[in-house]
Amino acid sequence: GAVVSQHPSRVICKSGTSVKIECRSLDFQATTMFWYRQFPKQSLMLMATSNEGSKATYEQGVEKDKFLINHASLTLSTLTVTSAHPEDSSFYICSATSLLRDTTIFETYEQYFGPGTRLTVT
Amino acid sequence: DQQVKQNSPSLSVQEGRISILNCDYTNSMFDYFLWYKKYPAEGPTFLISISSIKDKNEDGRFTVFLNKSAKHLSLHIVPSQPGDSAVYFCAAVPPNAGGTSYGKLTFGQGTILTVHP
Repeated sequence: GAVVSQHPSRVICKSGTSVKIECRSLDFQATTMFWYRQFPKQSLMLMATSNEGSKATYEQGVEKDKFLINHASLTLSTLTVTSAHPEDSSFYICSATSLLRDTTIFETYEQYFGPGTRLTVT
Repeated sequence: DQQVKQNSPSLSVQEGRISILNCDYTNSMFDYFLWYKKYPAEGPTFLISISSIKDKNEDGRFTVFLNKSAKHLSLHIVPSQPGDSAVYFCAAVPPNAGGTSYGKLTFGQGTILTVHP
């Protein structure tokens, strides 16, 4: 299967600072990447859809100026949490899929997930 | 508005028995469904999927059943093993999820499965 990595796996930052999380597809070209947020004991909440070379599409209620997403290449998307506050503490997960997908790797509509990043804002 | 619902937050099963995880949805336009398994502090991993034109798909110990009239799907794991203990999410592909929205999924809340030895 395809591999998606995330960095860092855990980060602690002070309130008011910005944090960048990277999501990389290691062995395929990710034309589309998704960013999710998961609160304890809750579902994965889709934050935004990111297509390579274009602006991200944010879900309703997600502040695009606070959660900056960049998808500059077919293997890298970044999520920057700007001016972080304690309420931004969460588990952030990215996933990737590809319109150029090799159907021997991807099931229909399948997306591969990164391992997640635990953000703690103090 | 929770369009995909997993009403059982947890399920406990004895090793060797069948685990049945349920999922209900409200949008009849969903045309593809997937099940993911997630361990703590890890990203979800794909398990099995089913198209709305089918009512059953089987892969080894995992079988997914789809009842479109009831807007209900279920994941059967048999026999259950302790390594199956994880959170299971069902997900649906929203209508018009093509083009630049390809792969966009709507997830249920998840069910924690515990398989006891």
